[in-house]
Amino acid sequence: EPEVTQTPSHQVTQMGQEVILRCVPISNHLYFYWYRQILGQKVEFLVSFYNNEISEKSEIFDDQFSVERPDGSNFTLKIRSTKLEDSAMYFCASSESRTGNEQYFGPGTRLTVT
Amino acid sequence: QQQVKQSPQSLIVQKGGISIINCAYENTAFDYFPWYQQFPGKGPALLIAIRPDVSEKKEGRFTISFNKSAKQFSLHIMDSQPGDSATYFCAARPSYSGGSNYKLTFGKGTLLTVNP
Repeated sequence: EPEVTQTPSHQVTQMGQEVILRCVPISNHLYFYWYRQILGQKVEFLVSFYNNEISEKSEIFDDQFSVERPDGSNFTLKIRSTKLEDSAMYFCASSESRTGNEQYFGPGTRLTVT
Repeated sequence: QQQVKQSPQSLIVQKGGISIINCAYENTAFDYFPWYQQFPGKGPALLIAIRPDVSEKKEGRFTISFNKSAKQFSLHIMDSQPGDSATYFCAARPSYSGGSNYKLTFGKGTLLTVNP
């Protein structure tokens, strides 16, 4: 069964450093998303991406964040200058449907900012 | 208005029992309501979803009941098993409007423990 994959599974970084989280969405999916989950809290939407453009972003997704589809398979989330409060689990998701239904999530990357 | 309120926060059920998790929403623009199951250290996995044009959807032991007038929906797990022990999240998405409104708004989650 096709699945969303994410690397690395765990990333530790120092405050102020840049990090890039990587995702490989399901191959025939065209709509991509990033969500985050701070420990013990609910999953929160960050951004959606289609046709090499951001479709929608939340208030969390400020200028420190960017997304890119550098090639035909990868989808990345970059945090330019990490803060302690960026520590969270980051989930990539993808969907085939243009309505955003049936979003399939990857296993996540745990980002720890020290 | 964008919130989805989920209850209970935690639930303990005996094997074979029925687990019921409830969610309520305010935004009448929501028109897609999925439930996700999450095991520790894993990503949320889509379990079952419903659109507001039906009042119930069943897949195996999992049933969503939907009450549009009350703006509530619930997940029922029949014959609960220890392997069902996980965190369950309800979510909602606004109606698609040609390039926006893809985001899922999640409830806070319910930690289900099914005792053997």
